[in-house]
Amino acid sequence: GENVEQHPSTLSVQEGDSAVIKCTYSDSASNYFPWYKQELGKRPQLIIDIRSNVGEKKDQRIAVTLNKTAKHFSLHITETQPEDSAVYFCAAFQTGANNLFFGTGTRLTVIP
Amino acid sequence: DTEVTQTPKHLVMGMTNKKSLKCEQHMGHRAMYWYKQKAKKPPELMFVYSYEKLSINESVPSRFSPECPNSSLLNLHLHALQPEDSALYLCASSDVGKRETQYFGPGTRLLVL
Repeated sequence: GENVEQHPSTLSVQEGDSAVIKCTYSDSASNYFPWYKQELGKRPQLIIDIRSNVGEKKDQRIAVTLNKTAKHFSLHITETQPEDSAVYFCAAFQTGANNLFFGTGTRLTVIP
Repeated sequence: DTEVTQTPKHLVMGMTNKKSLKCEQHMGHRAMYWYKQKAKKPPELMFVYSYEKLSINESVPSRFSPECPNSSLLNLHLHALQPEDSALYLCASSDVGKRETQYFGPGTRLLVL
């Protein structure tokens, strides 16, 4: 199956600063890359996604970039707020397996 | 209705008990999933149902038995579980032709004593 690696595992930033989380994937046939935010005890929620035919996508303070050649994609959060504190999972959809493969997660803490 | 619901929210069971987890969605999705999530780990796929038929079983032990009685409901029957089965069990759903976009339920937190 697909192998998705995610870094860092933990990230602490001051409120207002930016946060960047990076993921790599192994299968060049993977074509869809969602990011999920999971607050403590709650469901994973899709916050942004990008398809393989796009290099960058932005939604207010959140952006995702994709480098297909290098097989990596990143989540960028600007002007972080305490409510951004959560665990963030990247994922890659592998067309062969027809399934999502998740990264290991990043615990983001925004310090007020 | 754009939500996936799961019951119960919490479940404590002994190793000899039989219990069931339930999942429901009314988004018209015909693909439904069970995931297991251990603390500080990503969700791990267990089962996939497509048009109410089991399409993927990721080598899950037989003490977990899924059931999809109709297009809106997904059950996970539990029997003779082990303490290491304690985890958050997440249900998700998607369009069959759009399996990359999955909507997750809130999960059932299971503790096996």
